[in-house]
Order: sequence, then structure tokens, then C-alpha cells
Amino acid sequence: RKEVEQDPGPFNVPEGATVAFNCTYSNSASQSFFWYRQDCRKEPKLLMSVYSSGNEDGRFTAQLNRASQYISLLIRDSKLSDSATYLCVVSYGGSQGNLIFGKGTKLSVKP
Amino acid sequence: DVKVTQSSRYLVKRTGEKVFLECVQDMDHENMFWYRQDPGLGLRLIYFSYDVKMKEKGDIPEGYSVSREKKERFSLILESASTNQTSMYLCASGQRHYGYTFGSGTRLTVV
Repeated sequence: RKEVEQDPGPFNVPEGATVAFNCTYSNSASQSFFWYRQDCRKEPKLLMSVYSSGNEDGRFTAQLNRASQYISLLIRDSKLSDSATYLCVVSYGGSQGNLIFGKGTKLSVKP
Repeated sequence: DVKVTQSSRYLVKRTGEKVFLECVQDMDHENMFWYRQDPGLGLRLIYFSYDVKMKEKGDIPEGYSVSREKKERFSLILESASTNQTSMYLCASGQRHYGYTFGSGTRLTVV
């Protein structure tokens, strides 16, 4: 069974904190990796892709460890507006491009 | 930016009714997807389509059908709505290597 596992949280952190989310996936043939953000009662939105070499977008850093089948997202200097659910997403093999979504990790940034 | 438009934000239907949920994308994507999202269960794939008139079952196709007569439009059909189909329905389009774009969702209540 193809699965993506995340700690559901919630992670409650103060403004300015650094927070890290982890995700593991079961299918070693997975090829593409993403983090999505979902605000309450809204649709998921693509936050960033995750590349083997690791990548950074402002305060956000994503890492991929293929050997351990593990993805991470680091948020530095947390803002109140970062409060949301973060979904780890993995593609598995096949030509039609289906993605598997984790159930999400809820982040709450407090003043 | 890719735009994925779902025809209704909120719907209330009666048990046994036939329900149509419409989704339109403007980026000429071949792949389109229907998910439902429920608390604690995350996003679950109902059906997807990788070309006009082509469809594939996802993880939970029972009680649903789909139609893709034009590339930009992917419809989800609840043949005979039941209360356990009360959920948030999300349409997406895109390619697995680049992530998907979601519509804003349809919150369906079956009474």
C-alpha cells in the first residue's frame, strides 16, 4: 500500500520560532515530492517542490532523503500567518501522475 | 496562474438525488482529479482522468462516476446521493512533476 505518514500535530509555537515537520513515504519508486499548505476550510495550495539537493524559498527549507524515504520542511522565524495545515505529497510511478497526500500537520503560531 | 474553477461553493441535496459537480481548468492540462476531504481522513482520490473520455478509478470510486467530454472540463456525478457522501469535494489539475492546482472546493451536504 502506498502511504505518506505525517505527525498530525498540532504544533503550537511562538512567533519567531523555528519549526520542523517530517514526513515518511513507503514507495521507494516515488519520483516527485511537494509540500502543500491548507488554510482552514480552503483548498490546498502548493508551497514548494522538494528536490534531492534540498531547496529553500525565503524562510522555508525543504529536504529530501531518498535512502530513508523521508522529507522535511523547516520554517524559520515563524509568523502568525504561517498557521495552517501542511501536507506532504509524493508521486508514485506510473504515467498518469497520481499524487499521494499525507493527512497533514497542523501548525499554530501564537503571538 | 492556472485557474481551476468549481461550479458551486456550497450545495445541499436530498438523499437519492443525482448530483453533478463541475470543474473547469484553463491551462490545457491533460490530468484532472477529483478528491474528497473529510476530517481525520485527509484527501482521498475518487477518480482521475488523463485525457478526454479517459478515466481511472481512484481509492474510493464507489457511488461516484465521472465525465470528461472536453479537455478543460471534468465532472463528478453522485448517482444517488447518500448522507455518507457529505464532504468537501476538491477538483485538481496538473502534472505530477510540477504539482497540482486545486479548485476552491465544493462543500456538499446530503440531507
